[in-house]
Amino acid sequence: EVQLVQSGAEVKKPGESLKISCKGSGYSFTSYWIGWVRQMPGKGLEWMGIIYPGDSDTRYSPSFQGQVTISADKSISTAYLQWSSLKASDTAMYYCAIRGYSYPAFDYWGQGTLVTVSS
Amino acid sequence: QSVLTQPPSASGTPGQRVTISCSGSSSNIGSNYVYWYQQLPGTAPKLLIYRNNQRPSGVPDRFSGSKSGTSASLAISGLRSEDEADYYCAAWDDSLSGHWVFGGGTKLTVL
Repeated sequence: EVQLVQSGAEVKKPGESLKISCKGSGYSFTSYWIGWVRQMPGKGLEWMGIIYPGDSDTRYSPSFQGQVTISADKSISTAYLQWSSLKASDTAMYYCAIRGYSYPAFDYWGQGTLVTVSS
Repeated sequence: QSVLTQPPSASGTPGQRVTISCSGSSSNIGSNYVYWYQQLPGTAPKLLIYRNNQRPSGVPDRFSGSKSGTSASLAISGLRSEDEADYYCAAWDDSLSGHWVFGGGTKLTVL
């Protein structure tokens, strides 16, 4: 069974760093693109970027280029989303999803990680 | 401001047919497939339609997708109370080295 299990909720202060994770199981981790999606409180979905764990090819959406870092560790089947200096506006739910396991689309999603940034 | 434009809300009564539009440009919908996702309150998005009009197994045939030029639509027939959710269109955008884009989302209310 394909599963994407994301790390737990985080409460951080502005300026702090953070790395959240998305662990894949039940499929070949290196063979499918993983995407990250932001959903700010009460707002819509926004693509942040995607990574192909097989070769770490990473593409960022223009709005998020330089704002976050997406990475993956093949040895533990885990993708990451990282901030070096959080802002209050980073408060959001973050989802990971894989593309193409059953259908040519982002067809399996993690449960989401809530990040709260507040002083 | 989302790259793909959706109406913020739609509504219908049980049994009715509702359509949700998604407008884009030549660099996204005009040259790539459209996908639709359903997000129930407090849950992760769920794939509803892929490649413009294909339904994953388990998605009722009440849901259908179409595309024409730089616009796409999601139609829901035989509306049910459990269809009340947020609906998002998505597509690959060829501009700026390529990236995925979503519509702003449409909140569907079943009256």
